Amino acid sequence: AQKVTQAQTEISVVEKEDVTLDCVYETRDTTYYLFWYKQPPSGELVFLIRRNSFDEQNEISGRYSWNFQKSTSSFNFTITASQVVDSAVYFCALSGGGYQKVTFGIGTKLQVIP
Amino acid sequence: SAVISQKPSRDICQRGTSLTIQCQVDSQVTMMFWYRQQPGQSLTLIATANQGSEATYESGFVIDKFPISRPNLTFSTLTVSNMSPEDSSIYLCSVEANDRVSYNEQFFGPGTRLTVL
Repeated sequence: AQKVTQAQTEISVVEKEDVTLDCVYETRDTTYYLFWYKQPPSGELVFLIRRNSFDEQNEISGRYSWNFQKSTSSFNFTITASQVVDSAVYFCALSGGGYQKVTFGIGTKLQVIP
Repeated sequence: SAVISQKPSRDICQRGTSLTIQCQVDSQVTMMFWYRQQPGQSLTLIATANQGSEATYESGFVIDKFPISRPNLTFSTLTVSNMSPEDSSIYLCSVEANDRVSYNEQFFGPGTRLTVL
């Protein structure tokens, strides 16, 4: 069975601080995909990143960066110089691909205080 | 990529009634997925809908309560039957892309926010 653990349920930071959202996953698949989604207060899910299990390169996109470590089954997400607009619930998710379901973590609610 | 629209975007319904949610995709997809997000909770898969066959339901979800139709490769409906306040949730339609660029990426619709009184 697949499992995604987001140990931080809520985080508050002051604007311009850096923040890291943790994600630990469990799977028996050798091929799998990891995702991060953002859900702002409006409710829609916004795709942030997809990473497959064979690509352990870290990725940076603007203020966002992701650290994928298979050795620790972690896929952490860092926001640099946080902004109020970053306030949202962030979900880490896991899929085996091939039209398999996506298993979501419980989500981390990030509040960025001006 | 895939662009997904859902109707209605939100609704307020009375206990005991049923609501049908529509999901339209701008491209043909093999599988469509229906998720539920209860207030303050994560997303839980209700069922997987493959065109031309009956939907496959996850544990805890049954066809009588959540009947699904999948008449073609771009459209699906989810009905929430005999609603109770516990059904108040956001219902999301999702597809998995099968094009070369977005392979295995999940796309989500904007969701239908349902409140049952």
